[in-house]
Amino acid sequence: KNQVEQSPQSLIILEGKNCTLQCNYTVSPFSNLRWYKQDTGRGPVSLTIMTFSENTKSNGRYTATLDADTKQSSLHITASQLSDSASYICVVPSGTYKYIFGTGTRLKVLA
Amino acid sequence: GAGVSQSPRYKVAKRGQDVALRCDPISGHVSLFWYQQALGQGPEFLTYFQNEAQLDKSGLPSDRFFAERPEGSVSTLKIQRTQQEDSAVYLCASSLGGTGTWDGYTFGSGTRLTVV
Repeated sequence: KNQVEQSPQSLIILEGKNCTLQCNYTVSPFSNLRWYKQDTGRGPVSLTIMTFSENTKSNGRYTATLDADTKQSSLHITASQLSDSASYICVVPSGTYKYIFGTGTRLKVLA
Repeated sequence: GAGVSQSPRYKVAKRGQDVALRCDPISGHVSLFWYQQALGQGPEFLTYFQNEAQLDKSGLPSDRFFAERPEGSVSTLKIQRTQQEDSAVYLCASSLGGTGTWDGYTFGSGTRLTVV
């Protein structure tokens, strides 16, 4: 069964600290993996897309990694800000149009 | 429009009532998707339209759920005889290309449905 699992389920950190979110997937065949940020009451917004051949990609303070052999991805957030408080969802396409979403990691950044 | 627009933003329905949720995708986007997001969960696929054709409705949880996109633009998700387990956020997303093109989704802000 195609699945996407994320850890931790929730995380609380102090402003300015770094954190790393994990994603494991069993979707096959694999084409790419996406990280989305979902603010409370909003729809998910794409942060980064990792294709099969990419190991690391950065988008500002966000750095995503992908290990296609172990089917794992991580999202590292550097120097966290209060506005980073949100759910971070790992998404892997299944087939030609359907997305399989993880349950997300709820991040809370405290002042 | 500039983004995907969904209405209403919030809907409270009495159990047994019918509801209709509307999605205005980005103009010119071929693909339109409906997802259901329960509290604390990731979104789950409901149905997919390519223009006016509903190519996949495998995620619709029961025959009480019906979606249409008659002119290939605006879509409506209808839920008949709502039940408490239907309470969730219903997300609409659109994508420029059709099947096989991974240009990504743009999501709307969702409609939060609460069945009491």
